[in-house]
Amino acid sequence: EVQLVQSGAVVKKPGESLKISCGGSGYTFTHYWIAWVRQMPGKGLEWMGIIYPLDSETRYSPSFQGQVTFSVDKSINTAYLQWTSLKASDTAIYYCARHNPSSSPLGWVDPWGQGTLVTVSS
Amino acid sequence: QSVLTQPPSVSGAPGQRVTISCTGSSSNIGAAYDVHWYQQVPGTAPKLLIYASSNRPSGVPERFSGSRSGTSASLAISGLQAEDEADYYCQSYDSSLRTSVFGGGTNLIVL
Repeated sequence: EVQLVQSGAVVKKPGESLKISCGGSGYTFTHYWIAWVRQMPGKGLEWMGIIYPLDSETRYSPSFQGQVTFSVDKSINTAYLQWTSLKASDTAIYYCARHNPSSSPLGWVDPWGQGTLVTVSS
Repeated sequence: QSVLTQPPSVSGAPGQRVTISCTGSSSNIGAAYDVHWYQQVPGTAPKLLIYASSNRPSGVPERFSGSRSGTSASLAISGLQAEDEADYYCQSYDSSLRTSVFGGGTNLIVL
């Protein structure tokens, strides 16, 4: 079974750094782009960007360029989403999802991880 | 303001048919980029419903269908059931932004 499992909910203070994870299993991790999606409280889905695990090529949505960093560790089939200085407005659920079809940056996402709730509050 | 425009809400009685529109432009749907649809039940992760404009993943009921024409796409749900009450999102690629984008989402209410 293809599955993405994300790290648990976190509470951070403004200005702190954070790295959340997304582990893939049941498929060849390096052959599929991984997408990151934000959902702020009570709001819709926002596409943050994608990363290709084979060579770490990244494509950020303009709204998120420079605000977050995507990375991967191929040895443990895990993708990461990182902030260096969190803001209260980063409070949201963050989803990772596998991009399809394989090797293509254009397409749909499936399956999705369960989501990681990030709360930033002083 | 989303690049892809969806109605904020639609409603229908059990058994009825409803459609949800997704209106784009010449840089996304109108440029022949595929449209994909997701269902999100409150408190859960989104789930793929339709991919490549009109294809259903295995396990998705035939009641759900998708279509695309010009700069718009539609999701149709026939034989509405109470369990269909959820938020629905369209997604496509935008060549001007050089990224995929989601529609603003549509809340489906089953009366």
